Amino acid sequence: QAGLTQPPSVSKGLRQTATLTCTGNNNNVGFQGAAWLQQHQGHPPKVLFDRNNNRPSEISERFSASRSGATAFLTITGLQPEDEADYYCSAWDSSLNGVVFGGGTKLIVL
Amino acid sequence: EVQLVESGGGSVQPGGSLRLSCAASGFTFTNYWMHWVRQAPGKGPVWVSRVDSDGSGTSYADSVNGRFTISRDNAKNTVYLQMNSLRDEDTAVYYCTTVFEYWGQGALVTVSS
Repeated sequence: QAGLTQPPSVSKGLRQTATLTCTGNNNNVGFQGAAWLQQHQGHPPKVLFDRNNNRPSEISERFSASRSGATAFLTITGLQPEDEADYYCSAWDSSLNGVVFGGGTKLIVL
Repeated sequence: EVQLVESGGGSVQPGGSLRLSCAASGFTFTNYWMHWVRQAPGKGPVWVSRVDSDGSGTSYADSVNGRFTISRDNAKNTVYLQMNSLRDEDTAVYYCTTVFEYWGQGALVTVSS
């Protein structure tokens, strides 16, 4: 089953801003939006944003999400060492009648 | 506090069966579709199956269709995944999740002879 497209890795310096992308189509991201997940090694995924770009209260305000058509964006400002992790996007796909994930972006904080 | 607690993982030989359970608490279980998502070592998450709020509708990834069965018991706030005819490639951590809101800690399933 086809997935969403994410760049494999992004490298940014400490305190810089990183913007991660997630590209789908009108059956998934363009249909109902995408959620963003953060995963540190050895831990389960944690939801950063739901499909309506709502952020749980425990997630830092340095994280923001947006969408333009079938592409979703995750922006992290003031990068910290603890932001180094794998980031995945996910969406419901109406044509597949299932959930699709991106391949993940490894964020490296230099 | 939201909790999704998986159980039933373990090691099994190819061709064998396992049943995963997931006990949910801390949110209105009947408002959510529930999913199983798996993640093989070093790989990204892959969707396995979903069951809608009242259990009347289900769907599966092509890779497990016909071998796995998802179900739920809303009286017990529990979702299940019956896995039959297991293959080596089914080895993964299996997460019980709403996908877009809540995730469990995962249950490891190892299929190996």
